[in-house]
Amino acid sequence: DIQMTQSPSSVSASVGDRVTITCRASQGISSWLAWYQQKPGKAPELLIYAASNLQTGVPSRFSGSGSGTDFTLTISSLQPEDFATYYCQQANSFPLAFGGGTKVEIK
Amino acid sequence: EVQLVESGGGLVKPGRSLRLSCTASGFTFGDYDMNWFRQAPGKGLEWVGVIRGKAYGETTEYAASVKGRFIISRDDSKSIAYLQMNSLKTEDTAVYYCTREAVGAQLDWGQGTLVTVSS
Repeated sequence: DIQMTQSPSSVSASVGDRVTITCRASQGISSWLAWYQQKPGKAPELLIYAASNLQTGVPSRFSGSGSGTDFTLTISSLQPEDFATYYCQQANSFPLAFGGGTKVEIK
Repeated sequence: EVQLVESGGGLVKPGRSLRLSCTASGFTFGDYDMNWFRQAPGKGLEWVGVIRGKAYGETTEYAASVKGRFIISRDDSKSIAYLQMNSLKTEDTAVYYCTREAVGAQLDWGQGTLVTVSS
């Protein structure tokens, strides 16, 4: 099974900051990686698919990069509505697996 | 507009069964793989299983933690996916979500339904 390791587990940041979250797969997954945002009490929402493709309707301040084992989600200028938990998910093989999540908190 | 609505959650005793439904609208249901995920209170996301679309024979895959106990099925005529959960354990307590998948990503999520397994 493929393990996904996300870092950091939490980050404190201010509005306007650039935030970078990394996700590492235990083996190569090509570009089969997605990123989700989850707010408390709500279902996750897709941000990025295939490692770097922005889902329709997602603000352009979100971007994804990487392939193989190392991936990055970047929020270029943090907005108040971006304070949430972010998860990566590999889709290369079953079982599908998520990273442990990164909570983005207000500094 | 795509909508996924889960139903059927509730409180159930260990060892009992429960069936969740995921009613879909706004897209051609039969064309898509449908996944189930869950999230235990205060924890991260866990994949439960998938049922592929008709083009892929409606085959299924399951997480090791539920294999042999849970069964995913679908009724394309009603646009509903089901999660039959048998021999429930306390560790199955979670919010259960269904999703529509494409290009390896979960495009849409339902609002979730809470399953509590407790005596």
